[in-house]
Amino acid sequence: DTAVSQTPKYLVTQMGNDKSIKCEQNLGHDTMYWYKQDSKKFLKIMFSYNNKELIINETVPNRFSPKSPDKAHLNLHINSLELGDSAVYFCASILTGGETQYFGPGTRLLVL
Amino acid sequence: GQQVMQIPQYQHVQEGEDFTTYCNSSTTLSNIQWYKQRPGGHPVFLIQLVKSGEVKKQKRLTFQFGEAKKNSSLHITATQTTDVGTYFCAGTTDSWGKLQFGAGTQVVVTP
Repeated sequence: DTAVSQTPKYLVTQMGNDKSIKCEQNLGHDTMYWYKQDSKKFLKIMFSYNNKELIINETVPNRFSPKSPDKAHLNLHINSLELGDSAVYFCASILTGGETQYFGPGTRLLVL
Repeated sequence: GQQVMQIPQYQHVQEGEDFTTYCNSSTTLSNIQWYKQRPGGHPVFLIQLVKSGEVKKQKRLTFQFGEAKKNSSLHITATQTTDVGTYFCAGTTDSWGKLQFGAGTQVVVTP
């Protein structure tokens, strides 16, 4: 019944590793987002996909690569993890023209 | 670029008191949204304001959008412990609905 789900919920890893986090929504939405929330709770958009097409690409290091295999899924792969990548990553989705973005539960990433 | 500023950063409120959090944008917004994030949780949509001068109410919450569509406020009356959390405003200026979030107001309620 979960509308927007993310896996994993927690991720602890060493600096330099490569990791992926996944997002799925069952709301029939056509637009999905990745946000990063830092330790000060500041929420910043990273990427957005509409119908599998990248439409928003903020100033994010090339180490971050999103992929949308279909409208219901948006994944985020991070290469060569750095300490500063530690944050909570939220996925969100919306139907174009709608007003409500639905957020997933978040993935808490800790880079040691 | 567009910036959305939000004050105060922290708000300690006695249960039963009222408080207001304010949001200001450096540019005119298409619309503004408000979200609430409980500790350890994820942002949850509260409301969207679109029209200049618009006022909307949800029980004890009153949301306003400024005449110039550059500022907004959230007023909560008779605060309850369930109001604990961080309240974010987020504005959009483009057709893709890219949200620029304010830094949030973290609300702590003392019984």
